[in-house]
Amino acid sequence: DADVTQTPRNRITKTGKRIMLECSQTKGHDRMYWYRQDPGLGLRLIYYSFDVKDINKGEISDGYSVSRQAQAKFSLSLESAIPNQTALYFCATSDPGQRETQYFGPGTRLLVL
Amino acid sequence: DQQVKQNSPSLSVQEGRISILNCDYTNSMFDYFLWYKKYPAEGPTFLISISSIKDKNEDGRFTVFLNKSAKHLSLHIVPSQPGDSAVYFCAARGGNYQLIWGAGTKLIIKP
Repeated sequence: DADVTQTPRNRITKTGKRIMLECSQTKGHDRMYWYRQDPGLGLRLIYYSFDVKDINKGEISDGYSVSRQAQAKFSLSLESAIPNQTALYFCATSDPGQRETQYFGPGTRLLVL
Repeated sequence: DQQVKQNSPSLSVQEGRISILNCDYTNSMFDYFLWYKKYPAEGPTFLISISSIKDKNEDGRFTVFLNKSAKHLSLHIVPSQPGDSAVYFCAARGGNYQLIWGAGTKLIIKP
């Protein structure tokens, strides 16, 4: 079984719709992250959470919100989707004892029409 | 302004030969560098890392070299195998342990 899972794996939505991407992990890690990847660009950090009560904005948080429901769950929401949010979204986790190593989910491919 | 750059979008190497992937960075405060490997339809997976206090780290067929004066690091894969065909990302650890990522290099190993 995968340690970091993301649902859905693919999603098509329309401009203005609210959508949620979900991430669950069984690694027992406190730290979780949401990234987006665009063609020709590296991964860019949207939000990160060091524990259930600690949530921080990343490089590109505008237009996104997150919820850390439990240690194992971290959700990303697009309140009103727009076409330039079309991208590949990754969730990741890390252990404070291995701060440099992040473990990624398989990604969610989002298309906003 | 990209702080971590991988200037080669793709690289093709013959099986059995050495693959060399390059990465340049601009921020001298980065204290840790990592390479990740990504197959299609999967998330990136950690490959190898190096601390800024070292200039070389080796793990089996993979070696990472760091040249701090040039702000340059490279990943060497010897010998290259078909399973090494993937996209390779360079990342640097910045403030608050956030990772800054390069755009990736697609490595193709030819049989």
